[in-house]
Amino acid sequence: GESVGLHLPTLSVQEGDNSIINCAYSNSASDYFIWYKQESGKGPQFIIDIRSNMDKRQGQRVTVLLNKTVKHLSLQIAATQPGDSAVYFCAEKLDNFNKFYFGSGTKLNVKP
Amino acid sequence: NAGVMQNPRHLVRRRGQEARLRCSPMKGHSHVYWYRQLPEEGLKFMVYLQKENIIDESGMPKERFSAEFPKEGPSILRIQQVVRGDSAAYFCASSPPSGWNTEAFFGQGTRLTVV
Repeated sequence: GESVGLHLPTLSVQEGDNSIINCAYSNSASDYFIWYKQESGKGPQFIIDIRSNMDKRQGQRVTVLLNKTVKHLSLQIAATQPGDSAVYFCAEKLDNFNKFYFGSGTKLNVKP
Repeated sequence: NAGVMQNPRHLVRRRGQEARLRCSPMKGHSHVYWYRQLPEEGLKFMVYLQKENIIDESGMPKERFSAEFPKEGPSILRIQQVVRGDSAAYFCASSPPSGWNTEAFFGQGTRLTVV
């Protein structure tokens, strides 16, 4: 069943501030994690991924941190912009079948 | 390189009718996944298919719902005798052949409204 959950359903930040979105997962066997961004009326879009043999990965303005000890994943967005307003989902993959389990999502509101 | 194509984008059906949702995966992708999303909720896994095979249908309701991915043509999610509770957004995703840490690419979804 679904094993990924999020701590904060809604997050409001000021434009220019950094955002941190958190995610907890329950299966220690999960070996791959992805953050997706979903804008209103659209399908989820890949943001960044991380493998279980890593604890940090950086992209453009985004960083994903993985803490396997406490089974926690976070997405950090630097200098948040209005275009970052969306729902963010973390997803975990439990096996090699590419079957992803998604959490309920965190809605990020960026205030101008 | 076209992405995952879903059609129709919006579908309205009366209770008791059938709904057919289509998904054309990205070129070269042989794996298709269907997810369902209710408003303000996450994505619920429904079914995972490869060409001509259902790999995992653990998320599919036992009645009225079926899915196929034929050798030729798009994947079809079929909902028979729709009820109001079927109203949701249905997303399709595709990925290359199974491998280590391969992301899934999503379509724009079909929004089904049952009236």
